[in-house]
Formats: sequence, structure tokens, C-alpha cells
Amino acid sequence: EAGVAQSPRYKIIEKRQSVAFWCNPISGHATLYWYQQILGQGPKLLIQFQNNGVVDDSQLPKDRFSAERLKGVDSTLKIQPAKLEDSAVYLCASRPTSGVHGTQYFGPGTRLTVL
Amino acid sequence: QKEVEQDPGPLSVPEGAIVSLNCTYSNSAFQYFMWYRQYSRKGPELLMYTYSSGNKEDGRFTAQVDKSSKYISLFIRDSQPSDSATYLCAMSEGQAGTALIFGKGTTLSVSS
Repeated sequence: EAGVAQSPRYKIIEKRQSVAFWCNPISGHATLYWYQQILGQGPKLLIQFQNNGVVDDSQLPKDRFSAERLKGVDSTLKIQPAKLEDSAVYLCASRPTSGVHGTQYFGPGTRLTVL
Repeated sequence: QKEVEQDPGPLSVPEGAIVSLNCTYSNSAFQYFMWYRQYSRKGPELLMYTYSSGNKEDGRFTAQVDKSSKYISLFIRDSQPSDSATYLCAMSEGQAGTALIFGKGTTLSVSS
């Protein structure tokens, strides 16, 4: 079974620029999450999708962050404009419909550096 | 007070030692407790999962939950250099698919 794919793996941008991250979850996983992991911290949920609908985006800074999951498969997270404090690893995770609660399969993440 | 507190370490032990990792939490509604392991430059992977209070054992790993004290632990027996990673506790209130609240993670180094 292929894992969660993310790209790019690394991105360096100047502040005020825009950036987009892509995620392809495990086939058949209806739930998709985007997390932000700042160095030395645990992952913090940004947004949760169930198929192509948003379940929870309460911690997404909507003035600069946006996310979509077209057709309930791939997802894109965008930041526009980026700030220095957005430097972090952005993790995508997916979850099967059934199975052990709390089981989320994480991708390798995209490491963003904002200069 | 953060919802989940976890000592970031680092924790360094010799090979073969017993390791104890802990988290405390404040939200009494948490029912599901997980331990994730994260190797450097990788995404977290689920290591142990426990529902409500009690113990769960899987090989060299034992997870304990004490809801009355709002305290969870992960024990690693006969630690190996391959156990060197960051260990993240995570919790959720319930309902399938509910978002996880993570601790900061404890960095463990096992020397041979």
C-alpha cells in the first residue's frame, strides 16, 4: 500500500510571497488532515476534510491560509502572503473510514522556510 | 495551561535500558490516547493506542492511561538504538475522525 505523498519536500521563500503544498492521501481514505509542526512542537491541526467537505478549520488562519480538496482525493494547502512565523513542517495525514480510532497515516511533510 | 503537556527532553539512555515517557493533560473529555513515533525528517507513525484507562502491551512497548490523574505513560523495555526518535503523545475526545491534540514530543536517544 502506497503511503501519503507530499510535494515539494522543501521550500524556501521570501516573506510576503505565496506558496502551495500538495498532498495525495492513501487510496480510499476519506478523511484528510493538514497539520503545522513548528520546530520543537507537536503537530497542530490546521484543517480536516471528510471527502471534499471541510469538517474542522477552526485553527486555520483564514486571512492567509486556504485549502481545498477537489473530488475528495488530492488536496492543496496555500499560504498567501507568507510570514516569518509560517516557517514549519506542513504534514498531511489521511485516515481510513474504519479501523482503530486515532490511526492517522502521515506523509513525510513539506519543510517551509520563510526568509 | 496547555491541553497536553510533555517534557521535551532530550532523554539519553544506554542500550537495554527501560525508558519511561509521560504526558499530562487537562481536558477530562479525552478518551482516546495514542503514542506516535517520529524519526528525523519523517512524518509521525502510530505506535500505541489506548481507549480510556488501563494498560496495553505490544512487544517491548507498554502504554498506560490513568484518567483519574490525567496522566499517560509509554514504557520501552530493552531499548535499542533504533528506538532513537521523538515520541509524541496524542489525544482526542472521541468520535471517529476527531482531530488529535499532540504533545510537544520527547526526543529519545539510545546509545549502543
